[in-house]
Amino acid sequence: DTEVTQTPKHLVMGMTNKKSLKCEQHMGHRAMYWYKQKAKKPPELMFVYSYEKLSINESVPSRFSPECPNSSLLNLHLHALQPEDSALYLCASSHPGQGTYEQYFGPGTRLTVT
Amino acid sequence: AQRVTQPEKLLSVFKGAPVELKCNYSYSGSPELFWYVQYSRQRLQLLLRHISRESIKGFTADLNKGETSFHLKKPFAQEEDSAMYYCALNLRGGGAQKLVFGQGTRLTINP
Repeated sequence: DTEVTQTPKHLVMGMTNKKSLKCEQHMGHRAMYWYKQKAKKPPELMFVYSYEKLSINESVPSRFSPECPNSSLLNLHLHALQPEDSALYLCASSHPGQGTYEQYFGPGTRLTVT
Repeated sequence: AQRVTQPEKLLSVFKGAPVELKCNYSYSGSPELFWYVQYSRQRLQLLLRHISRESIKGFTADLNKGETSFHLKKPFAQEEDSAMYYCALNLRGGGAQKLVFGQGTRLTINP
């Protein structure tokens, strides 16, 4: 299985809601990533987990809370989001470390905050 | 500042013509560079990495440290090459791969 899966595909939430995005891979990768992609812009790194530990947080607001419960799963918990947080959220995975590894991307969750 | 610049947002060429997508980088260390591609309705995927020095789908990219460039080239464009292309630089922070992407170039191959 060489795919990264993400659920849900689409999510609409109000500013007072709490929701979660889910990402899963079964390639044995021990590094997992969250990116945010606004329309017609490149992906921007949010968080990196390496061996299930948070290794990079790109100064993301606390209303985004990542979680890596095991080596195959990555969650992004959302609370009190703003309309400007509407975007495509991409998950990716790779071998861990700083090398020139390929990142495998999921299809993304399109989030709309109303 | 460490960044990647893709000067062309849009590039349109005819089928069979050569194509070159430009990428320039700014990085203080030894760079690790990638080209990622996103075809219509597909997920982002790796096309090339500089370290492998291979040709994928007829595309090649050579790292030129003197000109701080990593341009993507193909001698004869095909219609299926139409896609969004991102050049990416690995900043290598926090014990993990830390990619920063250029703004992307949308390549259209006209029949």
